Amino acid sequence: EVQLVQSGAEVKKPGESLKISCQGSGYTFSNYWIAWVRHMPGKGLEWMGSINPGGSDTKYSPSFQGQVTFSVDKSISTAYLQWSNLKASDTAIYYCAKSGTSAYSGCSFWGQGTLVTVSS
Amino acid sequence: DIVMTQSPDSLAVSLGERATINCKSSQSVLYNSNNKNYLAWYQQKPGQPPKLLIYWASTRESGVPDRFSGSGSGTDFTLTISSLQAEDVAVYYCHQYYNIPFTFGPGTKVDIK
Repeated sequence: EVQLVQSGAEVKKPGESLKISCQGSGYTFSNYWIAWVRHMPGKGLEWMGSINPGGSDTKYSPSFQGQVTFSVDKSISTAYLQWSNLKASDTAIYYCAKSGTSAYSGCSFWGQGTLVTVSS
Repeated sequence: DIVMTQSPDSLAVSLGERATINCKSSQSVLYNSNNKNYLAWYQQKPGQPPKLLIYWASTRESGVPDRFSGSGSGTDFTLTISSLQAEDVAVYYCHQYYNIPFTFGPGTKVDIK
């Protein structure tokens, strides 16, 4: 059974850094791209980008390029989403999703989401 | 960026009746080399992550009830729920994965009338 387990909710202050995680199981983690999607309160879904766990190749949406960093640790089947300078506007639920063997794939299975709240 | 629009914003349908959601992309998402439309549909229930229903515009994901169907090509797509059930109350999103950055439609909320 495919599972993507994300780390728990976070409350941070503006300017702080944060790294959230997404651990995959039930499939060959390194063979499938992992996408990150933002869901802001009362808004729609936004594709932030994706990472290839096998080779660490990344695709960033221009809207998020330079604002966040994707990384993986293949040894523990875990992908990470990182910020170095959080803003209040980063408050959202962040989902990781198992994509395909190609970067140009939909999101076949989603993690449960991590709520990030940034407030002074 | 490819802009995805959906209509209607919301709809209320009686149990057992048909629900139809439209999605339009600002440019074609049909890749001529493989004749595939890079278009997916997701269902999101309150408090849950999205769930994949349809990919390649018309291929139903394993385990998805056959009352859900997708159609269309190029720039115009439709998600149809042939006989609405109570458990289908959700927000439905279309999603293009043809061009980076991938983009989602704004969502259509489906309720019971």
